[in-house]
Amino acid sequence: AQKITQTQPGMFVQEKEAVTLDCTYDTSDQSYGLFWYKQPSSGEMIFLIYQGSYDEQNATEGRYSLNFQKARKSANLVISASQLGDSAMYFCAMRELPSANTGNQFYFGTGTSLTVIP
Amino acid sequence: GAVVSQHPSRVICKSGTSVKIECRSLDFQATTMFWYRQFPKQSLMLMATSNEGSKATYEQGVEKDKFLINHASLTLSTLTVTSAHPEDSSFYICSASVDASNQPQHFGDGTRLSIL
Repeated sequence: AQKITQTQPGMFVQEKEAVTLDCTYDTSDQSYGLFWYKQPSSGEMIFLIYQGSYDEQNATEGRYSLNFQKARKSANLVISASQLGDSAMYFCAMRELPSANTGNQFYFGTGTSLTVIP
Repeated sequence: GAVVSQHPSRVICKSGTSVKIECRSLDFQATTMFWYRQFPKQSLMLMATSNEGSKATYEQGVEKDKFLINHASLTLSTLTVTSAHPEDSSFYICSASVDASNQPQHFGDGTRLSIL
């Protein structure tokens, strides 16, 4: 089974509007971390926001917020007031703690390509 | 925020050449470094995980002798693509992290490798 699922290969949003990028995850661990990264066309991976599995409040970082629904195992990224510079690939990721059988494990989704329309 | 430097950013070389890519964490000590390969319009593909002072853990299907990883210190890991061929052309990106589930990976800017 996929650890991270991003079902939206591509999304369009009008400038200044809000957009939600979907992410669901699969884990049996109690302690894990959820992350969102942005990858512009230049290639670098930019860390946007983090949500811990024990955090009761949704994470926010400026225009980014994470809609964390633990029971549904979803961690959607909300970008408010979209800007042209937000056009990029967005990756959802999960980190589980190392276990006896695995080392540090990060899992990435397949990404969502966001295009902001002027 | 944490800074990871990856060098070089772009390499163009002839088939059969070996290419070394460096990944440095500039302002923190990284317990673990990761090496990824990314094909156009695809997600990151983990190649290997390396911890300082120990052998790298390679993902299934990644040739250890082809992609040599050295993690000599808590701030430096290198990936050497040995005897590179055109099919090795890709975008390679490293990341560094400390060992905790609440810590993100901090990525280098990536290396675009083109083998002629």
